[in-house]
Amino acid sequence: KAGVTQTPRYLIKTRGQQVTLSCSPISGHRSVSWYQQTPGQGLQFLFEYFSETQRNKGNFPGRFSGRQFSNSRSEMNVSTLELGDSALYLCASSLEGASGYTFGSGTRLTVV
Amino acid sequence: AQTVTQSQPEMSVQEAETVTLSCTYDTSENNYYLFWYKQPPSRQMILVIRQEAYKQQNATENRFSVNFQKAAKSFSLKISDSQLGDTAMYFCAPWAGQNFVFGPGTRLSVLP
Repeated sequence: KAGVTQTPRYLIKTRGQQVTLSCSPISGHRSVSWYQQTPGQGLQFLFEYFSETQRNKGNFPGRFSGRQFSNSRSEMNVSTLELGDSALYLCASSLEGASGYTFGSGTRLTVV
Repeated sequence: AQTVTQSQPEMSVQEAETVTLSCTYDTSENNYYLFWYKQPPSRQMILVIRQEAYKQQNATENRFSVNFQKAAKSFSLKISDSQLGDTAMYFCAPWAGQNFVFGPGTRLSVLP
């Protein structure tokens, strides 16, 4: 079966702009989580969506938001981009959290 | 809050040999799961092995096994018969029902 698909793979944006990243989970998975990966901070949890509702949220400013659609596809949005937002953004989906999450290949965002 | 320590930032091992990656964590939860994920240069996070904290028996998955010491909050990963394809970043990650807390990672290089 198809894995977790993240689009786009690479993105370059200018400070102050906004960006939307997309994640299509494995078919049947209703939980989608987002993580930010940077060399300095490592992997940090952004938020999790389950059945179109945000179930958990990490410690990120309000500029970071997300949503989930009825088909479980998820998007995350970052507004007013800062240089420090440059990172690999990873999406992961799960049927049931304890069984583990399947990750996508990520979106590499560069803010210039 | 959970914290995860991986004390070996980098390791190397000769092909076909055995290597052990260490991980200690701190959690106040009683019911949780522990995961090892690997991230090769392709940057996709791949599940290596999973351990339920309530099980005393150490998990094994082909060449990968863990040494889980619940009282010591230690969860090391042993890779037997190392292969070139094992070259990757390895992350230890407890999961207690909400989100992963990833350790800083160990960069493993398998040398021919």
